[in-house]
Amino acid sequence: GDSVTQMEGPVTLSEEAFLTINCTYTATGYPSLFWYVQYPGEGLQLLLKATKADDKGSNKGFEATYRKETTSFHLEKGSVQVSDSAVYFCALRAGGTSYGKLTFGQGTILTVHP
Amino acid sequence: KAGVTQTPRYLIKTRGQQVTLSCSPISGHRSVSWYQQTPGQGLQFLFEYFSETQRNKGNFPGRFSGRQFSNSRSEMNVSTLELGDSALYLCASSSTGEGRNEQFFGPGTRLTVL
Repeated sequence: GDSVTQMEGPVTLSEEAFLTINCTYTATGYPSLFWYVQYPGEGLQLLLKATKADDKGSNKGFEATYRKETTSFHLEKGSVQVSDSAVYFCALRAGGTSYGKLTFGQGTILTVHP
Repeated sequence: KAGVTQTPRYLIKTRGQQVTLSCSPISGHRSVSWYQQTPGQGLQFLFEYFSETQRNKGNFPGRFSGRQFSNSRSEMNVSTLELGDSALYLCASSSTGEGRNEQFFGPGTRLTVL
């Protein structure tokens, strides 16, 4: 079945450091890929998405490129801020009859210190 | 445009009781999906409704059920509550629930079973 694997966390960084959160997936066909962010006590917010191979999603300084050859969708940011502290989830939606179903990774807790 | 709303935000029940959670999607969205979030299992897909029909279902027991009304609002019901049902229940809406269309999440309902 479909699955998403995220790098083990938590991740602790100093402000202005470079961020990478690894995400790899297993799916049949050509899934759409997403990164969501969850702040304490809130639901999930869509951070960025990519719907086909070699697409780059970007938002608020975050970027991720859909790499079909390595089945990866790693999240990067050049300079993190304290306000980026949150839980980050990588997710996919497979094609076919996967109506309304997102498959999520386990989440990566990011803490950024001043 | 108003976001996805969920009521109630917090709920405390005892084992054996039943509970009904409500979700109002973004105006114009016809697909509503439900997820259960727990520290141990992460985010798991419960089911998806589109135009009052359940199109997809996750691997949960029959105690978990849902429905969708003609205005796209959705409810989920859990009968004979167990301690393990304590979780954050998230609702997400999408225009069609398919392919590249992203899902927008509500703030969730925190259910505690005592």
